[in-house]
Amino acid sequence: KNEVEQSPQNLTAQEGEFITINCSYSVGISALHWLQQHPGGGIVSLFMLSSGKKKHGRLIATINIQEKHSSLHITASHPRDSAVYICAVRGLYGNKLVFGAGTILRVKS
Amino acid sequence: DTEVTQTPKHLVMGMTNKKSLKCEQHMGHRAMYWYKQKAKKPPELMFVYSYEKLSINESVPSRFSPECPNSSLLNLHLHALQPEDSALYLCASSQTAPGLINEKLFFGSGTQLSVL
Repeated sequence: KNEVEQSPQNLTAQEGEFITINCSYSVGISALHWLQQHPGGGIVSLFMLSSGKKKHGRLIATINIQEKHSSLHITASHPRDSAVYICAVRGLYGNKLVFGAGTILRVKS
Repeated sequence: DTEVTQTPKHLVMGMTNKKSLKCEQHMGHRAMYWYKQKAKKPPELMFVYSYEKLSINESVPSRFSPECPNSSLLNLHLHALQPEDSALYLCASSQTAPGLINEKLFFGSGTQLSVL
């Protein structure tokens, strides 16, 4: 079992829909990252969380430390949100990120 | 300037060639990273430099040789690569040394490498 599990693996949505991507992890962590990767390579760091909730524009990220679970929500989705969304965690004493396999999101117009 | 710049964007090389990938940041970050990413897989850490010293080498074959000439520059020298080394090579940087809690990573756009 991977230390970081994401669901779903693939997600297709219609423009305007509310989208949720989930991340579960099995170890104690010091921080959790949500990353976005568009076709062509570049990765953008969306959020870094250690507790609670963060919001940036149409994106919301939440984390429940007790349940070892985080969600990334996209409100009013748009085709330009189509990308791979990756959850990554840093362990309590580690100096490396452990990545999930990613969720491929496609938003259709 | 909040960018990590990688060059070249694409590279095709033969197995006997020697080439270098370059990464540059001017954010004053003191930690820089090389990741390798195969298609449809998450990034895999290769090397970490902290304050211009190699702090992590994830058992990477010696045909990959990292270099950090100064705090803004990170190179990856390639020699005698194999076709299975074809991948996207991503550079990243962070303000603090690895292991500190509030560390956000800034990634470059990557170099897509094909080894023939």
